[in-house]
Amino acid sequence: AQSVTQPDIHITVSEGASLELRCNYSYGATPYLFWYVQSPGQGLQLLLKYFSGDTLVQGIKGFEAEFKRSQSSFNLRKPSVHWSDAAEYFCAVEVTGGGNKLTFGTGTQLKVEL
Amino acid sequence: EPEVTQTPSHQVTQMGQEVILRCVPISNHLYFYWYRQILGQKVEFLVSFYNNEISEKSEIFDDQFSVERPDGSNFTLKIRSTKLEDSAMYFCASSRLAGLTGELFFGEGSRLTVL
Repeated sequence: AQSVTQPDIHITVSEGASLELRCNYSYGATPYLFWYVQSPGQGLQLLLKYFSGDTLVQGIKGFEAEFKRSQSSFNLRKPSVHWSDAAEYFCAVEVTGGGNKLTFGTGTQLKVEL
Repeated sequence: EPEVTQTPSHQVTQMGQEVILRCVPISNHLYFYWYRQILGQKVEFLVSFYNNEISEKSEIFDDQFSVERPDGSNFTLKIRSTKLEDSAMYFCASSRLAGLTGELFFGEGSRLTVL
């Protein structure tokens, strides 16, 4: 069965600094990959997704993620973090043809210091 | 912007009681889902629902759970006899299409605490 690992439970960065959140997956083939964000009191919002093609994917709010097949990774990046980016970030995978049945990681809580 | 809404935001119940969590999906969406997150653990898929029937369910979704779309707007999750381990955040989601083209839109979640 597929699994998703987010090794960092908490990350703190200063506003304006760059950010990278790690995600590794375990699956026999290339799954569909997603990053979601959950701000306090909000639902899960889709940041970006990768299905195929260009391995560097652009998302909303200035985020991007790079799929690296050799490392089974799909790390999320942002060049300059804003205080409003403080939230919990979830990486998720979907088995090909899985009909929106997502497997999530445990999440990374991002704190932004002013 | 259309959104998925869930009620209640927080419910406290006694073990053995029945609980109904309610969701109003986005109006033109056809596929509906429940996920849950036990505190400190992963968000887990529970069930998907399409055309008034369950499409897929996880092993978590046992006979104590049921889902229903009682009218054109609501989508409910019922837990017949709650257990302590049912304490979790329950997320409803909907999508207009399934698969690659069907982005999931999640609600804010309903936190269930079973005492």
